[in-house]
Amino acid sequence: GAGVSQTPSNKVTEKGKYVELRCDPISGHTALYWYRQSLGQGPEFLIYFQGTGAADDSGLPNDRFFAVRPEGSVSTLKIQRTERGDSAVYLCASSLGGLSYNEQFFGPGTRLTVL
Amino acid sequence: SQQGEEDPQALSIQEGENATMNCSYKTSINNLQWYRQNSGRGLVHLILIRSNEREKHSGRLRVTLDTSKKSSSLLITASRAADTASYFCATDDSDTGRRALTFGSGTRLQVQP
Repeated sequence: GAGVSQTPSNKVTEKGKYVELRCDPISGHTALYWYRQSLGQGPEFLIYFQGTGAADDSGLPNDRFFAVRPEGSVSTLKIQRTERGDSAVYLCASSLGGLSYNEQFFGPGTRLTVL
Repeated sequence: SQQGEEDPQALSIQEGENATMNCSYKTSINNLQWYRQNSGRGLVHLILIRSNEREKHSGRLRVTLDTSKKSSSLLITASRAADTASYFCATDDSDTGRRALTFGSGTRLQVQP
C-alpha cells in the first residue's frame, strides 16, 4: 500500500449515535496522529500514538472521544453520543517516529456529518 | 487551538504570476512545514524548513523562515491553474517537544487561467 488510508470516506450519522473511524498508516510507520478539521479552518490535533500507546492525547475535546491502536498499526477513532458540533473532516497521519522529527503523511480523511 | 495565522486568507492571481503567502506562529520550533490541500481533503506535504535554515527551495517553491519574528513565507513562482488550493503552514513545539503539528488557518489560493 502506498499511502495512509482512511475508511469510510464519508459517514453520516444521527445525533447521539456512536461512530468509529479507521486509519491504516503507511507500513513501518510507528507514529500515528489524528487531527480534526472544521470547514474553513486548519487541522487541529487530537491524539498521537507512538507504537501502541497514546503518547499525547491532549487534543481530545472531551471523554466522548477515544482512540486505540492495539497492534501498533491500524488505529480507530471512536466517538460516543455524537453531537452536531462533531461534524468535521477527521484526518489521520503517520510518520516514521523515532527521536528525530519525521514528515507526517496524511490520509484523505473521513468526512463526518452528524444530523 | 490554532497557533499560526496565514495571510492573506484568500489570494486570487493570474496564471504565470507569483503567489506569496505568509505565516506567523507563537512558540519556539524545530521545524516549519507547508502543506497543500485540495477540496478540503488530504494534505500534501510541500516542504519542510528547519529552525536553523533561513531559506529553502523546491522546484517552483521558495520558503523563508525568520525565527526572530516567528514568521515564514511561501512563494510559488510562475503559478499554474493547478496550483489552486489551500495552503497551510504547520509547526511543532521545541519547548515542549510535542510532536503534534499546529496548523494555521490557511490561505486559499485561486489561480485564474
